[in-house]
Amino acid sequence: GDSVTQMEGPVTLSEEAFLTINCTYTATGYPSLFWYVQYPGEGLQLLLKATKADDKGSNKGFEATYRKETTSFHLEKGSVQVSDSAVYFCALSDAFTGRRALTFGSGTRLQVQP
Amino acid sequence: EPEVTQTPSHQVTQMGQEVILRCVPISNHLYFYWYRQILGQKVEFLVSFYNNEISEKSEIFDDQFSVERPDGSNFTLKIRSTKLEDSAMYFCASSQKDEQFFGPGTRLTVL
Repeated sequence: GDSVTQMEGPVTLSEEAFLTINCTYTATGYPSLFWYVQYPGEGLQLLLKATKADDKGSNKGFEATYRKETTSFHLEKGSVQVSDSAVYFCALSDAFTGRRALTFGSGTRLQVQP
Repeated sequence: EPEVTQTPSHQVTQMGQEVILRCVPISNHLYFYWYRQILGQKVEFLVSFYNNEISEKSEIFDDQFSVERPDGSNFTLKIRSTKLEDSAMYFCASSQKDEQFFGPGTRLTVL
């Protein structure tokens, strides 16, 4: 079945540091890929998405590129802020196989220190 | 901006009791979903609903669970005879196509 693997957290960075959170996936078809963010005490918010190979999703300074050859969708940000502290979830859906349900990774907690 | 809403925000119940979690999806969305997140664990898919019927469900979604869209706006998840391990955050989501919008969640505590 489909699966998503994320790097273990927590990731602790100083403000203005460069961020990478690794995500790789296994899917039967041709999935759409997503990054969701969960701030403390809140629900899931879509951060960015990509629906086909070599697409780059971007939002709020975060970027991720859909790499079919390496089955990866790593999240990056050039300069993190304290307000970016949250849990980040990589996810996929595989509408090609008729499956719209999202399969999530285990989440990576990011802590940004001033 | 339209958003998914959920009520209640926190529900406490005794083991063996029935609970109903409520969601109001975004009005022009066609697909509706329930997910759950046990504390400290990943978000898990439970069920999706389209055209007034279940379109997908996971192995978690057994006979203890049911979903309903009783009117044009609400989408409910019923858990019969709750167990301690049902304690989790339950998220509702809705979508038009592949982008799912999540509600803030209902925290269910089973004592």
